[in-house]
Amino acid sequence: DVKVTQSSRYLVKRTGEKVFLECVQDMDHENMFWYRQDPGLGLRLIYFSYDVKMKEKGDIPEGYSVSREKKERFSLILESASTNQTSMYLCASSHPMNTEAFFGQGTRLTVV
Amino acid sequence: EDQVTQSPEALRLQEGESSSLNCSYTVSGLRGLFWYRQDPGKGPEFLFTLYSAGEEKEKERLKATLTKKESFLHITAPKPEDSATYLCAVQPSGTYKYIFGTGTRLKVLA
Repeated sequence: DVKVTQSSRYLVKRTGEKVFLECVQDMDHENMFWYRQDPGLGLRLIYFSYDVKMKEKGDIPEGYSVSREKKERFSLILESASTNQTSMYLCASSHPMNTEAFFGQGTRLTVV
Repeated sequence: EDQVTQSPEALRLQEGESSSLNCSYTVSGLRGLFWYRQDPGKGPEFLFTLYSAGEEKEKERLKATLTKKESFLHITAPKPEDSATYLCAVQPSGTYKYIFGTGTRLKVLA
């Protein structure tokens, strides 16, 4: 089975902190994604990576950056956390030929 | 603009009462349409991929169908354990990105 693992289920951070969310997949997928999910807004794409060191902005990249140094790992970085970044963060991966994406269990981030 | 709209937002069913969830989409070209199940506080769990109009997929009490403008997720004789949010997503042609609807929250009462 495909496994996408996010490093934390719950995080509480202070305003202004630099926050790292880590995601690892074990299926040798080229594509990896970071989404945030908010009530009434659905899943919104923050960043997307289609290869090591390659990245593409999604719909809401402001305030975020990403890093992909190895194929299996995709990190989301909140440069200076703000309260409006309190959300559920979801990592996903997919193989270009198979189309469907597989998700991690999510990280519930609260910024206080 | 590529868009996905799901209806209804929420649905309450009695156990055994069959129903359908709708996913309407607008894309310039469709690479695939996906259904996911999401339990509270968890990540979405993949259910089905549909690629072309007329295609159908089944899994236990769930059946997904696809036309050129919409997809339906039919739930036959649901059980309380089918309670979840069901998400629909599309992948437009020429991209690996996914566009999600806001989901249908299903509650099945015993």
